[in-house]
Amino acid sequence: DAKTTQPTSMDCAEGRAANLPCNHSTISGNEYVYWYRQIHSQGPQYIIHGLKNNETNEMASLIITEDRKSSTLILPHATLRDTAVYYCIVRVDTGRRALTFGSGTRLQVQP
Amino acid sequence: GAGVSQSPSNKVTEKGKDVELRCDPISGHTALYWYRQSLGQGLEFLIYFQGNSAPDKSGLPSDRFSAERTGGSVSTLTIQRTQQEDSAVYLCASSLNPAGNTGELFFGEGSRLTVL
Repeated sequence: DAKTTQPTSMDCAEGRAANLPCNHSTISGNEYVYWYRQIHSQGPQYIIHGLKNNETNEMASLIITEDRKSSTLILPHATLRDTAVYYCIVRVDTGRRALTFGSGTRLQVQP
Repeated sequence: GAGVSQSPSNKVTEKGKDVELRCDPISGHTALYWYRQSLGQGLEFLIYFQGNSAPDKSGLPSDRFSAERTGGSVSTLTIQRTQQEDSAVYLCASSLNPAGNTGELFFGEGSRLTVL
């Protein structure tokens, strides 16, 4: 699976959009981009995933660049409860391998 | 329950003792994963079960670690002769048949193991 690079930490003001970047320059054509988050003392939670088109769900939007070498997770109106570690993961969707979590980005939403 | 259930939620043991951690996945989920997370660290993959296929044990750190999944449902992670470095939160996750699915893993709340 392709390696991902994320900033170690970010701050965001409550009510503003949080934009979390992820670089995956070695991504191959059949690898998906997944985002998970882990709120303190809880298990990770799935947020969203995509292949090449932008995706949106009730939690977030995922913007993938045309060359697929990077992506951005957008939380449109961050709340204090969005404070968490956000993991960007790239994986072939063959179902034969477990997800590999990196260090993620620690997002701190400020009041 | 609707989610992944893990027990015990907390376990304190003495060095050298064996421990068993249990995971009850979401009903109907054929894939089951074990991860561990040491304090302040990321998630470390341990083992992955998918249906009746041979498990992927590539993440188990030593032969003191083993896991079973009986009847394609409940899983038990066993750590023999525990060491202090085994102290961590052990997380279990399950998913639907992952072939072609969304890749969404559902995690339990974890079992916090402390080895004294």
